[in-house]
Amino acid sequence: NAGVTQTPKFQVLKTGQSMTLQCAQDMNHNSMYWYRQDPGMGLRLIYYSASEGTTDKGEVPNGYNVSRLNKREFSLRLESAAPSQTSVYFCASRSQGYRPEALHFGNGTRLTVT
Amino acid sequence: AQSVTQLDSQVPVFEEAPVELRCNYSSSVSVYLFWYVQYPNQGLQLLLKYLSGSTLVKGINGFEAEFNKSQTSFHLRKPSVHISDTAEYFCAVSDQASGAGSYQLTFGKGTKLSVIP
Repeated sequence: NAGVTQTPKFQVLKTGQSMTLQCAQDMNHNSMYWYRQDPGMGLRLIYYSASEGTTDKGEVPNGYNVSRLNKREFSLRLESAAPSQTSVYFCASRSQGYRPEALHFGNGTRLTVT
Repeated sequence: AQSVTQLDSQVPVFEEAPVELRCNYSSSVSVYLFWYVQYPNQGLQLLLKYLSGSTLVKGINGFEAEFNKSQTSFHLRKPSVHISDTAEYFCAVSDQASGAGSYQLTFGKGTKLSVIP
């Protein structure tokens, strides 16, 4: 059982380049999330998808776009990378319900923008 | 809006000593509370959660936390730490008013626990 899988694990971009971070889960979860983690800042929500076909902005959406490709996959796109987007990106998922089940996290993508 | 404050960014403690990691939250509505742990180069995993009922919650690896509504706190404790407990710990809150689909977690900034041999 792989859980939440993120690719790539590491990436270096030059300012202005674009890239897509991939995330897939095999737990049949309805909701998926993208967070960024910066030193001393904790985790901040970028975008989330409550269910297949829907996406919503989180706390820090500027400079990002997302696609919920199907129930399993939720990608995060940086159209024109900036040094401020250097961070560790985490994808997470959870089953949907009125009780807040735990988030399941991937192991992260470490992105450096030079 | 809700917020979480983790009062200590770093906590060094000797092996086999007790530890308390502090967490305070603010919210205008009732909340759900969580502690997550992050080991180096890994994602976060759930330690324990408070949803309702008993205010003392037990989690994995011998950790427990106590919900104190009057003090808006959810401190994490372990009576005797091990080297393997070295990690970063995050407190998180979700308000109970969120609908199932819009449920979101707000995380604290984290506390790095270093266990000294």
